[in-house]
Amino acid sequence: GAGVSQSPSNKVTEKGKDVELRCDPISGHTALYWYRQSLGQGLEFLIYFQGNSAPDKSGLPSDRFSAERTGGSVSTLTIQRTQQEDSAVYLCASSLVQLLRNEQYFGPGTRLTVT
Amino acid sequence: LAKTTQPISMDSYEGQEVNITCSHNNIATNDYITWYQQFPSQGPRFIIQGYKTKVTNEVASLFIPADRKSSTLSLPRVSLSDTAVYYCLVVNSGNTPLVFGKGTRLSVIA
Repeated sequence: GAGVSQSPSNKVTEKGKDVELRCDPISGHTALYWYRQSLGQGLEFLIYFQGNSAPDKSGLPSDRFSAERTGGSVSTLTIQRTQQEDSAVYLCASSLVQLLRNEQYFGPGTRLTVT
Repeated sequence: LAKTTQPISMDSYEGQEVNITCSHNNIATNDYITWYQQFPSQGPRFIIQGYKTKVTNEVASLFIPADRKSSTLSLPRVSLSDTAVYYCLVVNSGNTPLVFGKGTRLSVIA
């Protein structure tokens, strides 16, 4: 079946502009995560959606970052007034509700470059 | 969650067995050890998970001693396509965000 997809694959934007990044999780997966990865670094958690529960926003670096998940499926990560330090690969992952294993399936990412 | 420590990089020749050790001294009773693999320009991919002793699948083996304060990922007979970054994570049961370190960059040389 289809995996996690993300769009666009690459985005170049000017400093100060807003951007929207999209994630389509695997059908039926109730948990959805956003991470970002700066050059040569590990992944940094941003936000987590689980079913109809309130999202865990504890990883968002500033109030310029927000995300929503409509209908329990597609998610959009929005970055307002982008800054150069926002340049990174933004990764989305989804998983089934499982008591063990917590296996997350990652998309290919969106590479954001802020000029 | 328990912090993990693993080597920054490793080199290996094709056909050799590669062992990557990870330390997690503060692992809790309900934590599992999980390894992800990440190729360039791709998202990470789950490869193996274990709680104790030994786990083996078609990709790798995972060795966990009785005290669970460390673990070793073993890749048999590596090929050039195994060149990737390997992340050791300690995870709770259930769906929680993963905490990634910088991983181990494995370079396989012909």
